[in-house]
Amino acid sequence: AQKITQTQPGMFVQEKEAVTLDCTYDTSDPSYGLFWYKQPSSGEMIFLIYQGSYDQQNATEGRYSLNFQKARKSANLVISASQLGDSAMYFCAMPGSARQLTFGSGTQLTVLP
Amino acid sequence: AAGVIQSPRHLIKEKRETATLKCYPIPRHDTVYWYQQGPGQDPQFLISFYEKMQSDKGSIPDRFSAQQFSDYHSELNMSSLELGDSALYFCASSLTSGPTGELFFGEGSRLTVL
Repeated sequence: AQKITQTQPGMFVQEKEAVTLDCTYDTSDPSYGLFWYKQPSSGEMIFLIYQGSYDQQNATEGRYSLNFQKARKSANLVISASQLGDSAMYFCAMPGSARQLTFGSGTQLTVLP
Repeated sequence: AAGVIQSPRHLIKEKRETATLKCYPIPRHDTVYWYQQGPGQDPQFLISFYEKMQSDKGSIPDRFSAQQFSDYHSELNMSSLELGDSALYFCASSLTSGPTGELFFGEGSRLTVL
């Protein structure tokens, strides 16, 4: 079974600065992946980025990048040049054998003007 | 691009009533997943379907049932509703033979049980 740990219940960042949201995981699968989702106060779950365990490079999608450290079992999300619209809950998640996701407890990010 | 469509977006029911949520996956996606997210909680996996057959089961109460139809849309049926069933219910879809990273959620159906 997978386990996802997000140790930061809340984070604050100044607008235009970068922020790192932590995610550590535990799995016995030799091949796995990690998702990051954004959930604004309106509730929808927005896909941000995906990293496969055998991907040679860290995933990047626009202002989002993954700092994937396999040996440390961490997959931290880095948001560069934060915007006010980035204020939301962020979830790290890992798919199981049938791709059902196990989520971390989330980090509430607040971007300050 | 077409996304996962869920209906209704909001639903209010009384205790002991029944509710049905619908999910229309992204075209060509063959797998549907249902999640329940209680207030202040992370989403919990309920059940999934692949090619209209149940493929995996999570923490779905016995009062709930779900199915996937020939057109690949799925319905989550909830009976004998309890106050604790108030939550945001997400549907997600993927193409099993496609990249693992292509898993997308609908906007959710918010159920309130009074």
